[in-house]
Amino acid sequence: QKEVEQNSGPLSVPEGAIASLNCTYSDRVSQSFFWYRQYSGKSPELIMSIYSNGDKEDGRFTAQLNKASQYVSLLIRDSQPSDSATYLCAVISSKIIFGSGTRLSIRP
Amino acid sequence: EAQVTQNPRYLITVTGKKLTVTCSQNMNHEYMSWYRQDPGLGLRQIYYSMNVEVTDKGDVPEGYKVSRKEKRNFPLILESPSPNQTSLYFCASSLLAGETGELFFGEGSRLTVL
Repeated sequence: QKEVEQNSGPLSVPEGAIASLNCTYSDRVSQSFFWYRQYSGKSPELIMSIYSNGDKEDGRFTAQLNKASQYVSLLIRDSQPSDSATYLCAVISSKIIFGSGTRLSIRP
Repeated sequence: EAQVTQNPRYLITVTGKKLTVTCSQNMNHEYMSWYRQDPGLGLRQIYYSMNVEVTDKGDVPEGYKVSRKEKRNFPLILESPSPNQTSLYFCASSLLAGETGELFFGEGSRLTVL
């Protein structure tokens, strides 16, 4: 079992809809969780961090954390074509571990 | 402009020919690290450094060396590159001397070893 798992996609979502990206992790003591966005041919960019159970909102982005289920998700409201990218989940327990990413495609 | 700068951005080399990928950050960050990114495997940490003269192995250190003689620079050295080191490499830095997860990445260096 991978330590941080994401569905590789591609996830295709119509413009204006909600995109939901999911990530599960195996280490129960993980404390810090991050979402990075990576456009094709570019470097990862941090877009959200979350440290406690519940929701954290930043503009059109909402990160959700459920430590009991070892599950973290990213919701993107009012999806735009510019949201088309690969989204990397990262988890820190003793070290930072990245998932392999979910490719998101927003269709006009 | 705050940035992490890597050079070269693209490199094709041959097996066994030593090469260095430079990384420099201008944000006075304590923490620096190197990752490689391969399809289906995500980002894997090669080496990291909490501070000057302090470096440690990540998950895939074999075949690589690093040094941190100055705070701003963290070069990655491939003493004898092999084809399995063909990959996309990212340098990253973070303000604090620890794995905070809040990383600033360089633009990446695509290396091909023939």
